[in-house]
Amino acid sequence: EPEVTQTPSHQVTQMGQEVILRCVPISNHLYFYWYRQILGQKVEFLVSFYNNEISEKSEIFDDQFSVERPDGSNFTLKIRSTKLEDSAMYFCASGKMVSTEAFFGQGTRLTVV
Amino acid sequence: GESVGLHLPTLSVQEGDNSIINCAYSNSASDYFIWYKQESGKGPQFIIDIRSNMDKRQGQRVTVLLNKTVKHLSLQIAATQPGDSAVYFCAENKRAAGNKLTFGGGTRVLVKP
Repeated sequence: EPEVTQTPSHQVTQMGQEVILRCVPISNHLYFYWYRQILGQKVEFLVSFYNNEISEKSEIFDDQFSVERPDGSNFTLKIRSTKLEDSAMYFCASGKMVSTEAFFGQGTRLTVV
Repeated sequence: GESVGLHLPTLSVQEGDNSIINCAYSNSASDYFIWYKQESGKGPQFIIDIRSNMDKRQGQRVTVLLNKTVKHLSLQIAATQPGDSAVYFCAENKRAAGNKLTFGGGTRVLVKP
């Protein structure tokens, strides 16, 4: 069964460093998303991406964040200068169409020290 | 402001019994209301959704009820099984807002053998 894959599963980085979280969405999907979940809290929307552009972003997704689909398979989230409060589980999701059924990856646990 | 929230943080249920998970919302402008399940170490998994103009929808062992008068959403799981142990999130979807999902705080369901 096709699935969304994310790498790495765990990333530890020093405050102020740049990190890139990688995702391979399901191959025939057209809609891509990043969410994050701070430990013990709810899942929060960061950004949605369709047709090679951002379609919606939250207030969390400030100038430190960017997304890119560099080729036909990868979807990346970059945090330019990480802060301690960026520590969270980051989930990539994709969907074939405009739908409530987003398929989530296993997540990347980002720890900023 | 808008919010999607849950009444009970933890629900313990005997295997074979029915489970009911509740959620309150404040934003009436959503297109869909959805339930997601998150098992430990995994990303959220779609269970069922309901369009905002409906009041009931049934799936396999699950039923979602929407009461727009009191802005209340519930998920009923019939004959709860050990594999149903997870955190359940209600969420709302806005197609016009990049198809983003706004998640509630989550309820942990523990199934006792």
